[in-house]
Amino acid sequence: NAGVTQTPKFQVLKTGQSMTLQCAQDMNHNSMYWYRQDPGMGLRLIYYSASEGTTDKGEVPNGYNVSRLNKREFSLRLESAAPSQTSVYFCASRLDLGTDTQYFGPGTRLTVL
Amino acid sequence: KNEVEQSPQNLTAQEGEFITINCSYSVGISALHWLQQHPGGGIVSLFMLSSGKKKHGRLIATINIQEKHSSLHITASHPRDSAVYICAALSQYSGGGADGLTFGKGTHLIIQP
Repeated sequence: NAGVTQTPKFQVLKTGQSMTLQCAQDMNHNSMYWYRQDPGMGLRLIYYSASEGTTDKGEVPNGYNVSRLNKREFSLRLESAAPSQTSVYFCASRLDLGTDTQYFGPGTRLTVL
Repeated sequence: KNEVEQSPQNLTAQEGEFITINCSYSVGISALHWLQQHPGGGIVSLFMLSSGKKKHGRLIATINIQEKHSSLHITASHPRDSAVYICAALSQYSGGGADGLTFGKGTHLIIQP
């Protein structure tokens, strides 16, 4: 079991460029999440997917889009990157909303110049 | 919105010391999570508890629902325990997306040999 995997691990973009962060889990989990982590702040939810075929906004969705491609994969897209989106991005999954353990990916460190 | 506060923000201790990290939240919750973020950035779920106490190895987590407070204790601390410890409160009423999980800013723990 690889758990939750994310690509890439590091990325540098220029303002206005677009990119997609990829996330996959092999634990047959229904719920998947995208968070961002900024210095001095707690993890903040960007988008989540309670089950395959559904996505919903979290606390800080502006500037992002997501796709739940299938049960395994949940991608996060920045259409026009801004310096305010410089952050560490974590993907996570759990069996269902509200159930026990949430599993996190290794994170993607994104810098927007 | 649930406010989650952790204390202390930073803690440096000597190997072998008993460590306590505190977490308080502002509104009723159905569960509280403790997470560990390694120096390399990876995040691991340690506990989820809704009452009483849980123990895993040298880690003990307690929660007092009436006082809206939880503590994470580490006995016989070791340099490998050095990490950021994050608490996250799962609100009784999910109204901000997903399952209402609100994260604290984390406690940065350093155990010196």
